Amino acid sequence: QQQVKQSPQSLIVQKGGISIINCAYENTAFDYFPWYQQFPGKGPALLIAIRPDVSEKKEGRFTISFNKSAKQFSLHIMDSQPGDSATYFCATQTGANNLFFGTGTRLTVIP
Amino acid sequence: KAGVTQTPRYLIKTRGQQVTLSCSPISGHRSVSWYQQTPGQGLQFLFEYFSETQRNKGNFPGRFSGRQFSNSRSEMNVSTLELGDSALYLCASSFGPGDFADTQYFGPGTRLTVL
Repeated sequence: QQQVKQSPQSLIVQKGGISIINCAYENTAFDYFPWYQQFPGKGPALLIAIRPDVSEKKEGRFTISFNKSAKQFSLHIMDSQPGDSATYFCATQTGANNLFFGTGTRLTVIP
Repeated sequence: KAGVTQTPRYLIKTRGQQVTLSCSPISGHRSVSWYQQTPGQGLQFLFEYFSETQRNKGNFPGRFSGRQFSNSRSEMNVSTLELGDSALYLCASSFGPGDFADTQYFGPGTRLTVL
């Protein structure tokens, strides 16, 4: 059973554009929602994370929007750059260190 | 501060063999989790260790096992390898249990190929 549903599977954005990736979850026990960025041949790297007591968190060009009632959260990448081309995973977690990952979104930013 | 290190980075084994992978967490981190990443199944949780005890286990057969040492370093073992065990095995470390979910930091992974 997929705990987290992520869309789209792939995304192509022009340089300078906005990239938006969406995730939805079912289990209301989740209390931590990180996004990871993974480049080929590398492990996932934490990009940004949010807890359910806030609706938005911004770090530089990256913003998480969180809708607790809809059980959805999304990643916005502003001013997308070719160096942002990677696979992005949303994830959910409870107090136990067991991350449930989405299926990933392959982002390609065209120069 | 050094990140999570995993050894070896690449492994080639044949069916029926066993393999041991190693993970050294970030200094000060006492929790180590293991994940399997495949194109078909994505990233899946294997198990988590804290203070040399397995705290959590994912839905994997008993051929997959692990342990943690007193210095928080962890090893993962897969016995009787199958072709489907070919994957990137990732280790993640964090401080350990607390009031809230703990941020996990991943290593570069060990690429296991089973022939």
